[in-house]
Amino acid sequence: EVHLVESGGGLVQPGGSLRLSCAASGFTFSNYAMSWVRQAPGKGLEWVSAIGGSGAITYYTDSVKGRFIISRDNSKNTLYLQMNSLRAEDTAVYYCAKPLYYFDSWGQGTLVTVSS
Amino acid sequence: QSALTQPRSVSGSPGQSVTISCTGTTSDVGGYNYVSWYRQHPGKAPKLIIYDVTKRPSGVPDRFSGSKSGNTASLTISGLQAEDEADYYCCSYAGSYTNVVFGGGTKLTVL
Repeated sequence: EVHLVESGGGLVQPGGSLRLSCAASGFTFSNYAMSWVRQAPGKGLEWVSAIGGSGAITYYTDSVKGRFIISRDNSKNTLYLQMNSLRAEDTAVYYCAKPLYYFDSWGQGTLVTVSS
Repeated sequence: QSALTQPRSVSGSPGQSVTISCTGTTSDVGGYNYVSWYRQHPGKAPKLIIYDVTKRPSGVPDRFSGSKSGNTASLTISGLQAEDEADYYCCSYAGSYTNVVFGGGTKLTVL
């Protein structure tokens, strides 16, 4: 059974940084692209970023380009999202999801709150 | 404003059928057969119920079906059950630069 567990969320001031992690199990992690999808409080889903299985190819939505960095460590079966220069509009629950064009597995999410 | 347009809400009685539409453009829904649908209960993670326009993942009952015509995709839920009350989101591949876009979500109320 696929299991995705996010961690690293919390309260951060505008302009601050945070690194999210997603521990994966139950499948061959390196064989799959992985994504981050977020959901602002009371709002809909928004795709944020994705990374290919080897980590060589990355994708970002325009609003986070230059601020967020997605990466993965296949030896640790872990996905990361380094979030820099955080803004109030980045406040959301961040889900890691597998794989890329559609998402058949999701974590439980981790809440990121950007506020002073 | 979301990239894909869904009705804000739909409703139906137990046993009835409802259809939720998802309208995009030739750059997303109309250009690729990579539409997916998700059900989300309050406080829970989304769950995939349809992918590649019409396919159902293992374990999803055949009460759920998907279709597409032009730039509009649709999710039909037949034999409505109380547990179907949830938010539903469509999603479409939109090319290698954008990757995927979501609809704004539809709240389904089972009367």
